[in-house]
Amino acid sequence: DGGITQSPKYLFRKEGQNVTLSCEQNLNHDAMYWYRQDPGQGLRLIYYSQIVNDFQKGDIAEGYSVSREKKESFPLTVTSAQKNPTAFYLCASSMFGGPMEEEKLFFGSGTQLSVL
Amino acid sequence: SQQGEEDPQALSIQEGENATMNCSYKTSINNLQWYRQNSGRGLVHLILIRSNEREKHSGRLRVTLDTSKKSSSLLITASRAADTASYFCATDRGNTGKLIFGQGTTLQVKP
Repeated sequence: DGGITQSPKYLFRKEGQNVTLSCEQNLNHDAMYWYRQDPGQGLRLIYYSQIVNDFQKGDIAEGYSVSREKKESFPLTVTSAQKNPTAFYLCASSMFGGPMEEEKLFFGSGTQLSVL
Repeated sequence: SQQGEEDPQALSIQEGENATMNCSYKTSINNLQWYRQNSGRGLVHLILIRSNEREKHSGRLRVTLDTSKKSSSLLITASRAADTASYFCATDRGNTGKLIFGQGTTLQVKP
């Protein structure tokens, strides 16, 4: 099955701890994205990457970091600088991710991060 | 700030009825997309409508777009209990290709 796999499904973070959320895709998509969703809210863009070894900040990048060493993988680290990390995190991909592209996003099943 | 704003925030109907959700946005767009999210899951793309289109159909879904009013509507006809989910509109940010999502409409279809 082609798709996007996020792990773990549930993650707990202790104060002062960094945690990493995994996102892997086998769709051969160039672009990958991380979104944050708070209860009853829409999605807010954290980071996105249109090509390997390159990524850009979204609207709420502070307290987060990413890497894109492989086309298939786009892990998100929630650092201790993110003071309110409790949220549902969604990874997505699209074929090209360029401007003017009329592309739909394919989403993973999400990771629920909670603070202990 | 969010580009798209859905209305109503919540909608409860009986199976077989039609459900209409509305989305308003602030700036010019190239296209508008609708997504569905089941509770605790990722989003699934439903339909895309371009700025030069006024109406589009896909199965039981009908989407309209009025660029003069900066609004779109999603109509689900003959709803089913399985349609229970949250529905989000998403608009592109001018020439960036990045999507801005609204806050969503939560639809409950009672059997």
